[in-house]
Amino acid sequence: GDSVTQMEGPVTLSEEAFLTINCTYTATGYPSLFWYVQYPGEGLQLLLKATKADDKGSNKGFEATYRKETTSFHLEKGSVQVSDSAVYFCALHGSSNTGKLIFGQGTTLQVKP
Amino acid sequence: NAGVTQTPKFQVLKTGQSMTLQCAQDMNHEYMSWYRQDPGMGLRLIHYSVGAGITDQGEVPNGYNVSRSTTEDFPLRLLSAAPSQTSVYFCASSLGGRWAYGYTFGSGTRLTVV
Repeated sequence: GDSVTQMEGPVTLSEEAFLTINCTYTATGYPSLFWYVQYPGEGLQLLLKATKADDKGSNKGFEATYRKETTSFHLEKGSVQVSDSAVYFCALHGSSNTGKLIFGQGTTLQVKP
Repeated sequence: NAGVTQTPKFQVLKTGQSMTLQCAQDMNHEYMSWYRQDPGMGLRLIHYSVGAGITDQGEVPNGYNVSRSTTEDFPLRLLSAAPSQTSVYFCASSLGGRWAYGYTFGSGTRLTVV
């Protein structure tokens, strides 16, 4: 079945450092890919998305490119801030029209001043 | 525009008790889902609905029931609470077929079963 694998955390960075959180997936067909962010004590918010191969999703300085050849959707940001500290989830919606999102296990990011 | 509203935010139950977690959305979304979040396991799908009157099981449905009598509401019922159901529960909704817009999540219900 469909699955998503994220790099294990926690990831600890200093402010203004470069961020990469790896995400790979297994799915049949052409899934849509998402990154969600969860700030402490809150629900999940959609950060960015890509619906077809080679699409680049971007938002708030974060970017991720849908790479079908490597089945990856890595999240990057050039300069992180303390306010980016959160849990980041990679997710996919598969080709079946069921509305089911498959999530990775989440990666905790802590940014220190 | 309230989005997805979950109640209660916190709940403590004794083993064997039953309760209903409420979820309501005001965006006329067809698709609604319940997830549970446990440390190191991401979010796992419990039940989902593709429209009023239609529900189906997700990855971890045992011990939970759902119904969808209206487009707006999608309650999750715990039949006989167990400590293994201690978790954070999230309800989410999406416009049918418009996956590119992603899901809108509620703020969650933190449930502890003692």
